[in-house]
Amino acid sequence: NAGVTQTPKFQVLKTGQSMTLQCAQDMNHNSMYWYRQDPGMGLRLIYYSASEGTTDKGEVPNGYNVSRLNKREFSLRLESAAPSQTSVYFCASSDSRDRGREQYFGPGTRLTVT
Amino acid sequence: DAKTTQPPSMDCAEGRAANLPCNHSTISGNEYVYWYRQIHSQGPQYIIHGLKNNETNEMASLIITEDRKSSTLILPHATLRDTAVYYCIVRVADSGGGADGLTFGKGTHLIIQP
Repeated sequence: NAGVTQTPKFQVLKTGQSMTLQCAQDMNHNSMYWYRQDPGMGLRLIYYSASEGTTDKGEVPNGYNVSRLNKREFSLRLESAAPSQTSVYFCASSDSRDRGREQYFGPGTRLTVT
Repeated sequence: DAKTTQPPSMDCAEGRAANLPCNHSTISGNEYVYWYRQIHSQGPQYIIHGLKNNETNEMASLIITEDRKSSTLILPHATLRDTAVYYCIVRVADSGGGADGLTFGKGTHLIIQP
């Protein structure tokens, strides 16, 4: 069991470039999440997906789009990167049917926009 | 979700019990207390959660006051590997089967001293 995997681990973009962050989980979870973490801060929710085919905005969705490709994969796209999007991005998954609904996190993608 | 208040940092000697406090005075009756931790540069890791009874698992114990306005996470025999940022989060007990994100504050930076 790999758990939650994210690619790439590191990325440097120029302002205006686009890219997609990939996330996959092998735990058969129905719910998936994207968070960002700025230096010295807690994580903030960008988007989430309760189940395959559904997505919803979180606290900070502006500048991002997501796709729940199938039950395993949930991608995050930056269409036109800005320096304010420099951050560490974490993907997570959970089984909403579990009583604890604990979330399992990936190792993160460190993104720098210059 | 209700707001939580935690001290920004704490020290603890290796081998001693680490007691991390959390205030959540506006917690609602249907909200659980969750604890996650984040070891440097890694994704957050679930520790434990509870509603009103004290809980214990292989990682930690959670003590919730009778009025549920505060709680304490206890790491019984802290090791150097327990150095991390610890987040106390309150969250509704039932998401209705849908996804719901976690609301992270800045947490407590616990430093275990050799």
